[in-house]
Amino acid sequence: QSALTQPASVSASPGQSITLSCTGSSSDVGSYKLVSWFQHHPGKAPKLIIYQATLRPSGVSNRFSASKSGNTASLTISGLQPDDEADYYCCSYAGGDTFVFGGGTKLTVL
Amino acid sequence: EVQLVESGGGLVHPGRSLRLSCATSGFTFDVYAIHWVRQSPGKGLEWVSGVSWNSDSLGYGDSVKGRFTVYRDNAKKSVFLEMNSLRPEDTAIYYCVKHSSGSFFEGGFHLWGQGTAVTVS
Repeated sequence: QSALTQPASVSASPGQSITLSCTGSSSDVGSYKLVSWFQHHPGKAPKLIIYQATLRPSGVSNRFSASKSGNTASLTISGLQPDDEADYYCCSYAGGDTFVFGGGTKLTVL
Repeated sequence: EVQLVESGGGLVHPGRSLRLSCATSGFTFDVYAIHWVRQSPGKGLEWVSGVSWNSDSLGYGDSVKGRFTVYRDNAKKSVFLEMNSLRPEDTAIYYCVKHSSGSFFEGGFHLWGQGTAVTVS
């Protein structure tokens, strides 16, 4: 179980769109649709924003969208808002009843 | 209201054991998989363990395999994480997480508890 690779930090301005990447391998992201994305504001519980690679849970803004191609999953946030500033984690099923997270990306909304 | 409430955290010496509990309410517990995810100080999220609705699927992260055991008591609507041979690197906030289905093979980590802190020192 090697952690998925995410950029450590990204920054963008309010109103812009940004895409976060999550790179795994053929053992995890590349083999399963079971990729999730989470938003985590420090001190609060993480929040599921994408599951099964592209699906949004009920109540999650449609400003969040995601895709998967090969061993890489991507999360796009459009119309950035100050409250989008948070840590974002991807997670994939990795076979054998196991899951693996990415190292997380700190998003700064300038 | 769906609730997952973790308990059992605290300060423990290296090599000792601790049992975490996750008490749930507000949903039909015995049809959902449950996971434990942790976050060490200054680090990212790490999947620790998970158990499917019927316990047929039981998984562990490499860093805890052989030391931690997860099990569920559907009658008590609770999941437990037995942690043995604790190490300083196990220091973290441990979250109990409800999966959105009974198996690991669909859905996602839907709802998270507030976490319980474990310090191994």
